[in-house]
Amino acid sequence: KAGVTQTPRYLIKTRGQQVTLSCSPISGHRSVSWYQQTPGQGLQFLFEYFSETQRNKGNFPGRFSGRQFSNSRSEMNVSTLELGDSALYLCASSEGWRQFFGPGTRLTVL
Amino acid sequence: QQQVKQSPQSLIVQKGGISIINCAYENTAFDYFPWYQQFPGKGPALLIAIRPDVSEKKEGRFTISFNKSAKQFSLHIMDSQPGDSATYFCAASDMNRDDKIIFGKGTRLHILP
Repeated sequence: KAGVTQTPRYLIKTRGQQVTLSCSPISGHRSVSWYQQTPGQGLQFLFEYFSETQRNKGNFPGRFSGRQFSNSRSEMNVSTLELGDSALYLCASSEGWRQFFGPGTRLTVL
Repeated sequence: QQQVKQSPQSLIVQKGGISIINCAYENTAFDYFPWYQQFPGKGPALLIAIRPDVSEKKEGRFTISFNKSAKQFSLHIMDSQPGDSATYFCAASDMNRDDKIIFGKGTRLHILP
């Protein structure tokens, strides 16, 4: 099976803009989670979607949102970008207990 | 109570030595403890995982030791190799609640050749 894919891999935006990141899970996986990874904070959980419903949510402001489509593909959106949003955004799909990560999208906010 | 505390933050080990990374948790409902390995430019990859019904799990050179009463678990890398140089994350989750996985802050491991 193909692994988790994320697009784009790299993104440069300016403050105030919005961005949409995409994640395609492993075929058959219905759960998709999103994480923000920064050197100072490590891996921080954003949210998880299961069968198109948000099942868990981390402690991030409402500027961060997501959704999942019927084919399990997921998108996350960040509105009104801030400099502190610069990070590696990771998507992971799950089969039971096992979570598989994609390569991430490196977002730089200038 | 949801935290997973990981130590050390960074670790340098000679080739052939044993690398040991420790994690501690508070939530006694956690029942799944995975370790992830991340190389630069890549996403984390599941390395090995343990459930609390066993005290040790070994896969090749990687061993998880689990102490339920102390609420601690550790990763041991035997005969450490330069290719093991990466960042390692411990994590914990309550699988009965389909709850999110809580990650430690990571340990940057460097194996000297």
